[in-house]
Amino acid sequence: DADVTQTPRNRITKTGKRIMLECSQTKGHDRMYWYRQDPGLGLRLIYYSFDVKDINKGEISDGYSVSRQAQAKFSLSLESAIPNQTALYFCATSEGRDRVSYEQYFGPGTRLTVT
Amino acid sequence: RKEVEQDPGPFNVPEGATVAFNCTYSNSASQSFFWYRQDCRKEPKLLMSVYSSGNEDGRFTAQLNRASQYISLLIRDSKLSDSATYLCVVNMNQAGTALIFGKGTTLSVSS
Repeated sequence: DADVTQTPRNRITKTGKRIMLECSQTKGHDRMYWYRQDPGLGLRLIYYSFDVKDINKGEISDGYSVSRQAQAKFSLSLESAIPNQTALYFCATSEGRDRVSYEQYFGPGTRLTVT
Repeated sequence: RKEVEQDPGPFNVPEGATVAFNCTYSNSASQSFFWYRQDCRKEPKLLMSVYSSGNEDGRFTAQLNRASQYISLLIRDSKLSDSATYLCVVNMNQAGTALIFGKGTTLSVSS
C-alpha cells in the first residue's frame, strides 16, 4: 500500500461548487502539505500543517481552506471552485519534532478540472 | 532573478551518455537542497538530498556550490528509464516550510 494516498485521483466539477480533496498517510510523519502544480510552473505551496493544531498558509492560500483531522489526515477544500483552480494537486509529508528532515514525500496527486 | 532556475531542456541523449543539469538559486541563506524526479503526470519522488559539498548515489552525483549559489546533477551511463523531469528544490528556511521548486528539466534518453 502507498504511504501517502489521495482521493479522488481525478475530479471534474463546475464553477461555484465546493470540492474537498483528501490526503492520508501511513508514514507517521507530523508535517503535511498541499501543493498545486500548473503546466510550466513549479509546485507552489497552498497550506501546511506541523501537527493537528498547527495550520499555516502557504504561498497561494486564497480560495482554499484545510482541515487536519488527525495526524494522518489532511484535507484541502475549495469553497467555491473557479476555472483557474484547474491544476494537479499534491499532498506531501515530512518528519517533524525531534527528527527534523526537510525531505518531503508526495502522494499520487489529484487532477482537478473546474469548468 | 527567479528564486530557483533550471536549464529548461529538453535534453535528448542516447543511452550510455553522461548528462548534467544545473540549477541556480537566489537566496544565499538557503539551508538545504534536493533533486526530485517526476515522471509525466505523476508525483515528484526524491532522488537525492544535497546537504554539504555534494554526494553520490550510484550513477547520480549532486554537487553544491554555495559561493556561486548553484547545484548540479550529473547522470552517468544514462538508461532509458532515466527519462523524466528533474526538479531542483531549495529549502529557504530552517523550518523546512519554504521549499521552492524549480520548473524542472526534461530528460529523454533514447536507444
